[in-house]
Amino acid sequence: GAVVSQHPSRVICKSGTSVKIECRSLDFQATTMFWYRQFPKQSLMLMATSNEGSKATYEQGVEKDKFLINHASLTLSTLTVTSAHPEDSSFYICSARDSGTDTQYFGPGTRLTVL
Amino acid sequence: DAKTTQPPSMDCAEGRAANLPCNHSTISGNEYVYWYRQIHSQGPQYIIHGLKNNETNEMASLIITEDRKSSTLILPHATLRDTAVYYCIVRVATGANNLFFGTGTRLTVIP
Repeated sequence: GAVVSQHPSRVICKSGTSVKIECRSLDFQATTMFWYRQFPKQSLMLMATSNEGSKATYEQGVEKDKFLINHASLTLSTLTVTSAHPEDSSFYICSARDSGTDTQYFGPGTRLTVL
Repeated sequence: DAKTTQPPSMDCAEGRAANLPCNHSTISGNEYVYWYRQIHSQGPQYIIHGLKNNETNEMASLIITEDRKSSTLILPHATLRDTAVYYCIVRVATGANNLFFGTGTRLTVIP
């Protein structure tokens, strides 16, 4: 299947700092990418939908000024957690939709720990 | 997107077939059935999807009932590495709509 990468896989930061997470589709182009968050023992929750060249669409309750999403190319989307706090500690997972097959493929996830 | 119902957990002996059921009684005519799995601390992995015909690939088989109200994912020879949470999701394939994850079935493959 198609491959989606995320970087970094794990990050620890101090409260108040910003963290950027990259999501790349390696062998296909993705006009649409998605960002999910998963807390321990819970299922994935969609945070936002990212469309190449346009503004992201955020789910209810997700602060767009805190979770900045940029989808500048057909293979790269970034999520920046601004002014991170301990409650933002979570497993962040991106996915990319292969428009050729209409299937979503997921990245390996990024574990964020805010101290 | 239609809602799905899956058993919270299942066990399967290593080497045996694992049959994971899913109910989606409110599925619409243009909605596909997708299966993903998530191994601990990893991103979900795509397994298979189908509309109304049974499907098979190198990972699994998908059996969809004639009325499309339920389906079964079959892992023909389960291994310990198949231990994961399996998600059954229905969605319209066209367009950019996303996948909504329920609670899934936690499959444990026992040696």
